[in-house]
Amino acid sequence: DTGVSQDPRHKITKRGQNVTFRCDPISEHNRLYWYRQTLGQGPEFLTYFQNEAQLEKSRLLSDRFSAERPKGSFSTLEIQRTEQGDSAMYLCASSLGWGPLAMDGYTFGSGTRLTVV
Amino acid sequence: QKEVEQNSGPLSVPEGAIASLNCTYSDRGSQSFFWYRQYSGKSPELIMFIYSNGDKEDGRFTAQLNKASQYVSLLIRDSQPSDSATYLCAGGSGGSNYKLTFGKGTLLTVNP
Repeated sequence: DTGVSQDPRHKITKRGQNVTFRCDPISEHNRLYWYRQTLGQGPEFLTYFQNEAQLEKSRLLSDRFSAERPKGSFSTLEIQRTEQGDSAMYLCASSLGWGPLAMDGYTFGSGTRLTVV
Repeated sequence: QKEVEQNSGPLSVPEGAIASLNCTYSDRGSQSFFWYRQYSGKSPELIMFIYSNGDKEDGRFTAQLNKASQYVSLLIRDSQPSDSATYLCAGGSGGSNYKLTFGKGTLLTVNP
């Protein structure tokens, strides 16, 4: 499978617990993005990596959220002390990110659906 | 704040009709635009991208871009029930700080 892989597909956790999600991008893609999507909304940008460098973080990403891409390959997104408002689909995407227009767009993974109870 | 606006719909068309989906954007620095299709419970999949003014056709899909009006559209000809999905418009600025900003999406229903 050469697509973007996310794990787990679903996660139910109790409020206050920590959760970690993993994303494996397409191997030749050097850019990796995390988005969050709630029902009836479009994906909202959280953060992105160029290789192992985290280049931008959204203001949506509170101190409870942290993302890593230690070797420029897979990435993890951790949410500490989860809150019910964190319930959403967490989408990972990757792209080649080449050229001034970067016309390749994103390839999304299947997402991780988080439910905080 | 860079924004991409879409009519949330729902938009309902009969099978075989043309579905027209519209999108406006606020960031004049946006250079490329993407249409994604998202089935319920699934992740978005790329349908088309456009970066030049005018029309771009791919099969039953035509994307239109008007940078002066900051307007992007997607036409789906000969709509099929399998086209029923949410369509997301996204704009991207080029260069080293590249990322996409998405609209909320338009729900399209094609009735057999």
